[in-house]
Amino acid sequence: GAVVSQHPSRVICKSGTSVKIECRSLDFQATTMFWYRQFPKKSLMLMATSNEGSKATYEQGVEKDKFLINHASLTLSTLTVTSAHPEDSSFYICSASGPLAGVETQYFGPGTRLLVL
Amino acid sequence: AQSVTQLGSHVSVSEGALVLLRCNYSSSVPPYLFWYVQYPNQGLQLLLKYTSAATLVKGINGFEAEFKKSETSFHLTKPSAHMSDAAEYFCAVSVGSGTYKYIFGTGTRLKVLA
Repeated sequence: GAVVSQHPSRVICKSGTSVKIECRSLDFQATTMFWYRQFPKKSLMLMATSNEGSKATYEQGVEKDKFLINHASLTLSTLTVTSAHPEDSSFYICSASGPLAGVETQYFGPGTRLLVL
Repeated sequence: AQSVTQLGSHVSVSEGALVLLRCNYSSSVPPYLFWYVQYPNQGLQLLLKYTSAATLVKGINGFEAEFKKSETSFHLTKPSAHMSDAAEYFCAVSVGSGTYKYIFGTGTRLKVLA
């Protein structure tokens, strides 16, 4: 139980284009989803928190116009990197939590490797 | 404010030896504590969690951790290391505040020697 998927697993795009990453909770309702960024050999950096049906709350220093987050349903959240640049290349990981899976526990997706050329 | 310290960014053990990964936390209120494992190019997998029930928590793959309030510690152990345990391990603390955001430690890379 408590499985989270991400799609795509890897994406390569040209500088200036937008990329959408999907995060789905497969077997539980995710009232809260989190988006992280992980740099090589580093820990996870929380980018934003989203509650279903509400606007995302961004961490300090994260550009909300660049990293658009939507959490329109209890099983799907999306992260759109707009006008991507090479410095946006990174490993993006989502996590989800919900009342039946344990609101205090986050279950993580497998991550999406983004490479911007 | 909460914080997590993982002592030792790299730990090496021989196959079959005891695994001990250290995690100390700071929290002004009773915390929730977690250990996750990350294999290369993958997401994080929950190993175990402490949520104020039993102080000795057993997790998957033979791992366990003990919550020690007096020492503000939540060290992860496994009696006998296996080659497949080689990975990055993260300790995290969360405090109930509606959204239960995590504070992660910096991670410990476990290497298992044959």
